[in-house]
Amino acid sequence: DQQVKQNSPSLSVQEGRISILNCDYTNSMFDYFLWYKKYPAEGPTFLISISSIKDKNEDGRFTVFLNKSAKHLSLHIVPSQPGDSAVYFCAAPNNAGGTSYGKLTFGQGTILTVHP
Amino acid sequence: EAQVTQNPRYLITVTGKKLTVTCSQNMNHEYMSWYRQDPGLGLRQIYYSMNVEVTDKGDVPEGYKVSRKEKRNFPLILESPSPNQTSLYFCASSLFYGPGETQYFGPGTRLLVL
Repeated sequence: DQQVKQNSPSLSVQEGRISILNCDYTNSMFDYFLWYKKYPAEGPTFLISISSIKDKNEDGRFTVFLNKSAKHLSLHIVPSQPGDSAVYFCAAPNNAGGTSYGKLTFGQGTILTVHP
Repeated sequence: EAQVTQNPRYLITVTGKKLTVTCSQNMNHEYMSWYRQDPGLGLRQIYYSMNVEVTDKGDVPEGYKVSRKEKRNFPLILESPSPNQTSLYFCASSLFYGPGETQYFGPGTRLLVL
Protein backbone atom coordinates (compact mmCIF):
# COMPACT_ATOMS: atom_id res chain seq x y z
CA ASP A 1 0.00 0.00 0.00
CA GLN A 2 1.70 3.13 -1.27
CA GLN A 3 0.81 5.82 1.27
CA VAL A 4 2.76 8.52 -0.53
CA LYS A 5 2.40 8.68 -4.29
CA GLN A 6 4.06 10.67 -7.01
CA ASN A 7 2.09 9.81 -10.10
CA SER A 8 4.27 11.62 -12.62
CA PRO A 9 7.48 9.67 -13.23
CA SER A 10 9.00 12.54 -15.17
CA LEU A 11 8.61 16.22 -15.98
CA SER A 12 10.35 18.30 -18.59
CA VAL A 13 10.39 22.12 -18.51
CA GLN A 14 12.21 24.97 -20.18
CA GLU A 15 14.75 27.00 -18.26
CA GLY A 16 13.14 30.03 -16.63
CA ARG A 17 9.67 28.50 -16.51
CA ILE A 18 7.88 27.06 -13.50
CA SER A 19 8.26 23.41 -12.50
CA ILE A 20 5.41 21.88 -10.52
CA LEU A 21 5.93 18.50 -8.92
CA ASN A 22 2.99 16.79 -7.29
CA CYS A 23 2.58 14.36 -4.43
CA ASP A 24 -0.53 12.69 -2.98
CA TYR A 25 -0.88 10.87 0.30
CA THR A 26 -3.50 8.59 1.75
CA ASN A 27 -2.76 8.62 5.48
CA SER A 28 -4.61 11.50 7.13
CA MET A 29 -2.38 11.10 10.21
CA PHE A 30 0.64 12.45 8.33
CA ASP A 31 1.38 15.89 9.76
CA TYR A 32 4.70 16.80 8.21
CA PHE A 33 6.10 16.52 4.73
CA LEU A 34 9.55 16.83 3.26
CA TRP A 35 10.98 17.10 -0.23
CA TYR A 36 14.35 15.59 -1.07
CA LYS A 37 16.36 16.07 -4.23
CA LYS A 38 18.68 13.45 -5.68
CA TYR A 39 21.39 13.78 -8.31
CA PRO A 40 22.77 10.67 -10.05
CA ALA A 41 25.45 8.82 -8.07
CA GLU A 42 24.68 10.83 -4.92
CA GLY A 43 22.46 10.38 -1.90
CA PRO A 44 19.27 12.41 -1.54
CA THR A 45 19.56 15.83 0.06
CA PHE A 46 16.89 17.72 1.94
CA LEU A 47 15.23 20.52 0.02
CA ILE A 48 12.21 21.93 1.84
CA SER A 49 9.52 20.85 4.30
CA ILE A 50 6.08 21.83 5.49
CA SER A 51 4.08 21.21 8.63
CA SER A 52 0.39 20.40 8.37
CA ILE A 53 -0.44 23.55 10.33
CA LYS A 54 0.67 25.55 7.29
CA ASP A 55 -0.52 25.56 3.72
CA LYS A 56 2.58 27.10 2.20
CA ASN A 57 6.30 27.25 2.87
CA GLU A 58 8.75 29.19 0.76
CA ASP A 59 12.53 29.06 0.51
CA GLY A 60 14.02 31.09 -2.30
CA ARG A 61 12.94 29.64 -5.63
CA PHE A 62 11.23 26.70 -3.93
CA THR A 63 7.71 26.75 -2.54
CA VAL A 64 5.73 23.84 -1.18
CA PHE A 65 1.94 23.98 -1.01
CA LEU A 66 -0.17 21.69 1.11
CA ASN A 67 -3.87 20.99 0.57
CA LYS A 68 -4.90 18.85 3.50
CA SER A 69 -8.48 18.34 2.39
CA ALA A 70 -7.26 16.91 -0.91
CA LYS A 71 -4.29 15.12 0.72
CA HIS A 72 -2.09 16.73 -1.87
CA LEU A 73 1.12 18.69 -1.86
CA SER A 74 3.10 20.28 -4.62
CA LEU A 75 6.58 21.69 -5.04
CA HIS A 76 6.96 24.76 -7.21
CA ILE A 77 10.34 25.80 -8.58
CA VAL A 78 10.44 29.30 -10.05
CA PRO A 79 12.38 30.02 -12.17
CA SER A 80 13.63 26.57 -13.10
CA GLN A 81 17.33 26.19 -13.84
CA PRO A 82 19.25 23.39 -15.59
CA GLY A 83 20.96 22.61 -12.27
CA ASP A 84 17.55 21.69 -10.86
CA SER A 85 17.51 18.61 -13.08
CA ALA A 86 17.32 15.74 -10.60
CA VAL A 87 14.95 13.23 -9.06
CA TYR A 88 12.59 14.74 -6.49
CA PHE A 89 11.06 12.68 -3.71
CA CYS A 90 8.33 13.69 -1.33
CA ALA A 91 8.31 11.99 2.05
CA ALA A 92 6.20 11.82 5.19
CA PRO A 93 7.32 10.84 8.72
CA ASN A 94 5.03 8.19 10.06
CA ASN A 95 3.93 7.96 13.65
CA ALA A 96 1.78 4.91 13.06
CA GLY A 97 1.87 2.25 15.74
CA GLY A 98 3.70 4.49 18.15
CA THR A 99 6.87 4.57 16.12
CA SER A 100 7.51 8.13 17.25
CA TYR A 101 8.16 9.26 13.70
CA GLY A 102 10.94 6.75 13.26
CA LYS A 103 9.44 5.56 10.01
CA LEU A 104 9.74 7.68 6.90
CA THR A 105 7.65 6.92 3.82
CA PHE A 106 8.80 8.15 0.42
CA GLY A 107 7.03 8.56 -2.87
CA GLN A 108 8.29 6.95 -6.08
CA GLY A 109 10.09 10.07 -7.21
CA THR A 110 9.74 12.39 -10.22
CA ILE A 111 12.60 12.96 -12.65
CA LEU A 112 12.78 16.67 -13.47
CA THR A 113 14.65 17.75 -16.59
CA VAL A 114 15.17 21.46 -17.16
CA HIS A 115 16.23 22.29 -20.71
CA PRO A 116 18.44 25.35 -21.40
CA GLU B 1 33.61 17.35 7.20
CA ALA B 2 30.20 16.21 8.45
CA GLN B 3 29.17 13.18 6.48
CA VAL B 4 27.62 9.74 6.24
CA THR B 5 29.92 7.15 4.69
CA GLN B 6 29.03 3.77 3.27
CA ASN B 7 31.24 0.89 2.24
CA PRO B 8 31.53 -0.65 -0.19
CA ARG B 9 30.10 1.64 -2.85
CA TYR B 10 29.68 -1.20 -5.33
CA LEU B 11 29.36 -4.90 -4.64
CA ILE B 12 28.71 -7.96 -6.79
CA THR B 13 28.03 -11.18 -4.92
CA VAL B 14 26.34 -14.54 -5.34
CA THR B 15 23.17 -15.90 -3.83
CA GLY B 16 23.60 -17.06 -0.25
CA LYS B 17 26.96 -15.46 0.49
CA LYS B 18 26.62 -13.36 3.63
CA LEU B 19 27.61 -9.73 3.30
CA THR B 20 27.71 -6.57 5.38
CA VAL B 21 27.38 -2.99 4.19
CA THR B 22 28.84 -0.57 6.67
CA CYS B 23 27.48 2.87 7.50
CA SER B 24 29.16 5.44 9.66
CA GLN B 25 28.33 9.05 10.59
CA ASN B 26 30.54 11.61 12.30
CA MET B 27 27.80 14.03 13.39
CA ASN B 28 26.88 12.41 16.72
CA HIS B 29 23.40 11.73 15.35
CA GLU B 30 21.04 9.61 17.38
CA TYR B 31 18.87 8.41 14.51
CA MET B 32 20.08 6.22 11.65
CA SER B 33 18.21 4.40 8.93
CA TRP B 34 18.63 2.18 5.88
CA TYR B 35 16.71 2.49 2.60
CA ARG B 36 16.68 0.75 -0.70
CA GLN B 37 15.88 2.47 -3.98
CA ASP B 38 14.30 0.50 -6.81
CA PRO B 39 12.94 1.74 -10.17
CA GLY B 40 9.31 2.76 -9.90
CA LEU B 41 9.22 2.17 -6.15
CA GLY B 42 11.20 5.11 -4.86
CA LEU B 43 12.96 4.82 -1.52
CA ARG B 44 11.71 2.23 0.92
CA GLN B 45 12.83 2.04 4.51
CA ILE B 46 14.42 -1.22 5.64
CA TYR B 47 15.34 -0.63 9.30
CA TYR B 48 15.91 2.34 11.53
CA SER B 49 17.54 3.00 14.86
CA MET B 50 16.57 5.71 17.31
CA ASN B 51 19.64 5.22 19.48
CA VAL B 52 22.27 2.72 20.50
CA GLU B 53 20.76 -0.75 20.94
CA VAL B 54 17.36 0.49 19.73
CA THR B 55 16.33 -0.71 16.27
CA ASP B 56 13.01 -1.28 14.56
CA LYS B 57 11.64 -2.49 11.26
CA GLY B 58 10.80 -0.24 8.37
CA ASP B 59 8.55 -1.20 5.50
CA VAL B 60 10.75 -3.86 3.86
CA PRO B 61 12.84 -5.59 6.58
CA GLU B 62 12.64 -9.16 5.26
CA GLY B 63 16.06 -10.64 4.50
CA TYR B 64 17.99 -7.95 6.36
CA LYS B 65 19.49 -7.53 9.82
CA VAL B 66 20.96 -4.52 11.53
CA SER B 67 22.75 -3.72 14.74
CA ARG B 68 23.56 -0.50 16.56
CA LYS B 69 26.29 -1.16 19.08
CA GLU B 70 27.89 2.26 18.74
CA LYS B 71 26.28 5.59 18.02
CA ARG B 72 28.27 6.26 14.86
CA ASN B 73 27.85 2.87 13.12
CA PHE B 74 24.80 1.12 11.71
CA PRO B 75 25.76 -1.86 9.55
CA LEU B 76 23.29 -3.60 7.25
CA ILE B 77 23.65 -7.37 7.13
CA LEU B 78 22.34 -9.68 4.45
CA GLU B 79 22.67 -13.18 5.90
CA SER B 80 21.71 -15.00 2.71
CA PRO B 81 21.38 -12.56 -0.17
CA SER B 82 18.98 -13.31 -3.00
CA PRO B 83 18.65 -11.72 -6.45
CA ASN B 84 15.60 -9.70 -5.34
CA GLN B 85 17.91 -7.81 -2.99
CA THR B 86 19.75 -6.36 -5.96
CA SER B 87 19.24 -2.66 -5.38
CA LEU B 88 20.73 0.71 -4.52
CA TYR B 89 21.07 1.10 -0.76
CA PHE B 90 21.26 4.32 1.21
CA CYS B 91 22.13 4.91 4.82
CA ALA B 92 20.91 8.09 6.49
CA SER B 93 21.15 9.82 9.84
CA SER B 94 19.58 12.71 11.69
CA LEU B 95 20.30 14.41 14.98
CA PHE B 96 17.08 13.16 16.53
CA TYR B 97 13.90 11.55 15.29
CA GLY B 98 10.79 13.60 14.89
CA PRO B 99 8.53 15.02 12.23
CA GLY B 100 10.73 18.00 11.49
CA GLU B 101 14.06 16.22 11.42
CA THR B 102 15.86 16.15 8.11
CA GLN B 103 18.03 13.21 7.27
CA TYR B 104 21.52 13.24 5.84
CA PHE B 105 22.15 10.50 3.32
CA GLY B 106 25.25 8.59 2.41
CA PRO B 107 26.37 8.25 -1.23
CA GLY B 108 24.76 4.85 -1.74
CA THR B 109 25.88 1.26 -2.22
CA ARG B 110 24.95 -0.48 -5.44
CA LEU B 111 24.51 -4.22 -4.84
CA LEU B 112 24.14 -6.91 -7.49
CA VAL B 113 23.24 -10.42 -6.32
CA LEU B 114 23.76 -13.10 -8.96
